Amino acid sequence: ILNVEQSPQSLHVQEGDSTNFTCSFPSSNFYALHWYRWETAKSPEALFVMTLNGDEKKKGRISATLNTKEGYSYLYIKGSQPEDSATYLCASPNSGYSTLTFGKGTMLLVSP
Amino acid sequence: DTAVSQTPKYLVTQMGNDKSIKCEQNLGHDTMYWYKQDSKKFLKIMFSYNNKELIINETVPNRFSPKSPDKAHLNLHINSLELGDSAVYFCASSPLPSGNTIYFGEGSWLTVV
Repeated sequence: ILNVEQSPQSLHVQEGDSTNFTCSFPSSNFYALHWYRWETAKSPEALFVMTLNGDEKKKGRISATLNTKEGYSYLYIKGSQPEDSATYLCASPNSGYSTLTFGKGTMLLVSP
Repeated sequence: DTAVSQTPKYLVTQMGNDKSIKCEQNLGHDTMYWYKQDSKKFLKIMFSYNNKELIINETVPNRFSPKSPDKAHLNLHINSLELGDSAVYFCASSPLPSGNTIYFGEGSWLTVV
């Protein structure tokens, strides 16, 4: 069973703060690492798919980095806004590449 | 035009009943999934279907059965509902069963009373 861990479990920041959280995964047999954004009462929405060691992806104020050798990825949010409040999930394909195994997520709350 | 749609969105039913949740995707994807969001809000895979063949089944009770009449549909049937089945069930699809981006439906809130 693939073990995808995320930390912290939850985070509360003020508007304008920059923040980051971590996803760790087994570094052996790495295939890909996904980040999803999940707002309450909505469906999870894909942010990034990362496959190469050292990869860095960016979408607006959100960016992510990947270290496949040590098995971690960071998600950064620059200048957090209240609309960034959501649960951020990372996921990695299982050994048979048949589906994604999700971490438990980091719940971000940005206060105005 | 919703890409992955599931119905009903909300379902309240009594213990022991049999119910179904329907899912349709109009993305032309080959693989569809059912995920369950448990009480700790953790997304756990239940089933994955690729071209109408079940390719994984993660220790789900056999009261749960996926049915795929065609590539665009994957319905979830649940027999003899139990209180512990109360959860949010998410349907999803992806182009290939190889860890590509998964597109989720909006979830079906099932409450068993």
